[in-house]
Amino acid sequence: DTGVSQDPRHKITKRGQNVTFRCDPISEHNRLYWYRQTLGQGPEFLTYFQNEAQLEKSRLLSDRFSAERPKGSFSTLEIQRTEQGDSAMYLCASSLREGQGTNIQYFGAGTRLSVL
Amino acid sequence: QKEVEQNSGPLSVPEGAIASLNCTYSDRVSQSFFWYRQYSGKSPELIMSIYSNGDKEDGRFTAQLNKASQYVSLLIRDSQPSDSATYLCAVARGSNYKLTFGKGTLLTVNP
Repeated sequence: DTGVSQDPRHKITKRGQNVTFRCDPISEHNRLYWYRQTLGQGPEFLTYFQNEAQLEKSRLLSDRFSAERPKGSFSTLEIQRTEQGDSAMYLCASSLREGQGTNIQYFGAGTRLSVL
Repeated sequence: QKEVEQNSGPLSVPEGAIASLNCTYSDRVSQSFFWYRQYSGKSPELIMSIYSNGDKEDGRFTAQLNKASQYVSLLIRDSQPSDSATYLCAVARGSNYKLTFGKGTLLTVNP
């Protein structure tokens, strides 16, 4: 499989629990992005990595959210003390940094989180 | 003003017709522009990318960019029922290349 892989596909949790999602980017892609999408909205940027360095975080990413990309390969997104407002589709995308103006991001299937 | 705005939709066209989807953006330094298709419950799938003013054609799809007017459009010729989906306009600027998306336009192609 050469696409972006996300795990799990679905997660149901109770409010206050911690959850962790995993994203495996396309091989050799050095950029990895996390987005969140709620019903009726477009994806919203959360954070991105170039190799293992986290280069930007959105203000949407509260202190309950943390993302890592150890060794510049897969990435994890953890949400602590989940709230009902965290219910959304969490999308991961990856890209290969090429020349200016040629960034193409490929999305994984997403992890749908439901907080009860 | 929202950063990326799209037709509120839904847009309904008959099979075989041309579907026209529009998008405006507010950030003048935007450099990269994308159209993604998203089926219900699925993730976004890239349809077209465009970086320079003018038209770019790929099969039944044509993207049009006018940076002076801060306007991007997507034309779908010979629309098929399988084109029924939400179309997301996305814009990127600078070296970080994070995408800013519009809310999307729901397109329905009626057989």
